[in-house]
Amino acid sequence: KNQVEQSPQSLIILEGKNCTLQCNYTVSPFSNLRWYKQDTGRGPVSLTIMTFSENTKSNGRYTATLDADTKQSSLHITASQLSDSASYICVVSAGAGKSTFGDGTTLTVKP
Amino acid sequence: DSGVTQTPKHLITATGQRVTLRCSPRSGDLSVYWYQQSLDQGLQFLIQYYNGEERAKGNILERFSAQQFPDLHSELNLSSLELGDSALYFCASSVDRGPYEQYFGPGTRLTVT
Repeated sequence: KNQVEQSPQSLIILEGKNCTLQCNYTVSPFSNLRWYKQDTGRGPVSLTIMTFSENTKSNGRYTATLDADTKQSSLHITASQLSDSASYICVVSAGAGKSTFGDGTTLTVKP
Repeated sequence: DSGVTQTPKHLITATGQRVTLRCSPRSGDLSVYWYQQSLDQGLQFLIQYYNGEERAKGNILERFSAQQFPDLHSELNLSSLELGDSALYFCASSVDRGPYEQYFGPGTRLTVT
């Protein structure tokens, strides 16, 4: 069964600090992995998308890494801001439109 | 603004009723996806349509159905509503039928009383 597990479930950090969110998956066959940011009550917004051959992708202060061998991905946020407070969702696609969503990590950035 | 529009934004209805949620994809996108997000829970994939045809099915209840019209807009029909159907319903679109980046709409918040 395809599964995506994210950790930690929630995280509180101080403004300006860095943090790393984890995503482990057992989706097969692997097509791509996406990270989304979802503000409360809003639709998710794409941060990065990585295929099998990519092991790192950046989007401003967000950097995602992918290790296809260990089936792990991480999302690193640098110099956090209050606006980074949101849920971060890892999504792994197996092709043919089938995607498996993680439950998300809720990040709270405090001043 | 993702370019995906959903109507209505909010919907309050009673148990046993039927509602229709509408989604217009981004210009040029052929695939439409529907998701359900209950309170404090993750996104659950319901169904995908590509150019008018059903492409993939997720955890969609038999009481729910969807379709994509020739102009590519999509509707999600929810019938015999139960309290547990209260949730945010998101529509997303992508350019093609494969695992491409999906652009999400603002969602429809359904409250069943």
